[in-house]
Amino acid sequence: DGGITQSPKYLFRKEGQNVTLSCEQNLNHDAMYWYRQDPGQGLRLIYYSQIVNDFQKGDIAEGYSVSREKKESFPLTVTSAQKNPTAFYLCASSSFGRPGTNEKLFFGSGTQLSVL
Amino acid sequence: DAKTTQPPSMDCAEGRAANLPCNHSTISGNEYVYWYRQIHSQGPQYIIHGLKNNETNEMASLIITEDRKSSTLILPHATLRDTAVYYCIVRVATGTASKLTFGTGTRLQVTL
Repeated sequence: DGGITQSPKYLFRKEGQNVTLSCEQNLNHDAMYWYRQDPGQGLRLIYYSQIVNDFQKGDIAEGYSVSREKKESFPLTVTSAQKNPTAFYLCASSSFGRPGTNEKLFFGSGTQLSVL
Repeated sequence: DAKTTQPPSMDCAEGRAANLPCNHSTISGNEYVYWYRQIHSQGPQYIIHGLKNNETNEMASLIITEDRKSSTLILPHATLRDTAVYYCIVRVATGTASKLTFGTGTRLQVTL
């Protein structure tokens, strides 16, 4: 089945540790996105990528890094510089087409990151 | 992208129509209205989108006012499984990736 796979479902980070969240899609989508969601809050954009080897900062990029070496993959690293990393992280992808027609985001099931 | 305003929460009886409003008074002519919903601890799911005409699909109907400053998402026969947070988003559909911001949405509670 086509879709977006995020792993792991739950992740724990120790103080001062970098952790990487995986996001893989087999939808052949060009664009991929990372969002952060805190309890009772909306989604905030961390990074997005329109094409391989290109990515742009979102609204809350500090303390995070990404790479886009393959079309299918967009891993997110939460670095030790992110002082409050506990949150629900969501990855999404979308395809491009005629404006207004295919710009739906497809989301993964999320990763809950907690600090020990 | 234009800002949207939604009520924080709504209740609906099962089997009745759920009408979720969204205000986007600063919408520009080339901005589309999108609706997503998020069931607890899952990723958001696309529902419907439109520019100026009313739209209907298997999940819902979208009614956009003539001046496009507001819209209503209609779930014609709400079920308990429709309990979720519903997000209204307005954005320019440029055919490229861009920032897409989700606010806090409307928490719809469907009750027996």
